[in-house]
Amino acid sequence: DTEVTQTPKHLVMGMTNKKSLKCEQHMGHRAMYWYKQKAKKPPELMFVYSYEKLSINESVPSRFSPECPNSSLLNLHLHALQPEDSALYLCASSLLHLDRGNEQFFGPGTRLTVL
Amino acid sequence: AQSVTQLGSHVSVSEGALVLLRCNYSSSVPPYLFWYVQYPNQGLQLLLKYTSAATLVKGINGFEAEFKKSETSFHLTKPSAHMSDAAEYFCAVFNAGNMLTFGGGTRLMVKP
Repeated sequence: DTEVTQTPKHLVMGMTNKKSLKCEQHMGHRAMYWYKQKAKKPPELMFVYSYEKLSINESVPSRFSPECPNSSLLNLHLHALQPEDSALYLCASSLLHLDRGNEQFFGPGTRLTVL
Repeated sequence: AQSVTQLGSHVSVSEGALVLLRCNYSSSVPPYLFWYVQYPNQGLQLLLKYTSAATLVKGINGFEAEFKKSETSFHLTKPSAHMSDAAEYFCAVFNAGNMLTFGGGTRLMVKP
């Protein structure tokens, strides 16, 4: 199994809703990432988990709350989002975070629309 | 700080023509460089990577890239474009914090 899966594929939510994005990989990778990608822009890193511990938070607003329940699963909990948070949210994984030669494998993304 | 610049946000080629997508890097240490492709409404797929072994790197789907230290470049090429190559292409470098820094992206359009 060499893929990263993400659910749901699409999500529409109001500004008062609470929702979660889910990401899963079964490649034995110990680093997992959340990226945000706006239209016609490159992905922007949000969070990095290494060995199930949060190692990098790129000054992301607290309305985004990541969680890594185990080495295969990564969640992103969403609460009180703003319309400008509408974007494609990409999950990625790599063998190890600190090995610069490791490529990151990306999931297909969740297209989020905040009304 | 490590960074990459992609020259040309849009490139248009005819089917069967040479594809050349440009990427220049800035790095104070030997860089680790990557090319990713993103098809519409999909995630990113790794095309190839340079990790200081061979300077000519062959990737998937007939793409290759040559690392040129003297020119600080890592341009992506394919001898003959196919309609299915139409996509967004991102060059990326590992920065000092072991995070990927992406270039702005190049949209490749292939004309029949």
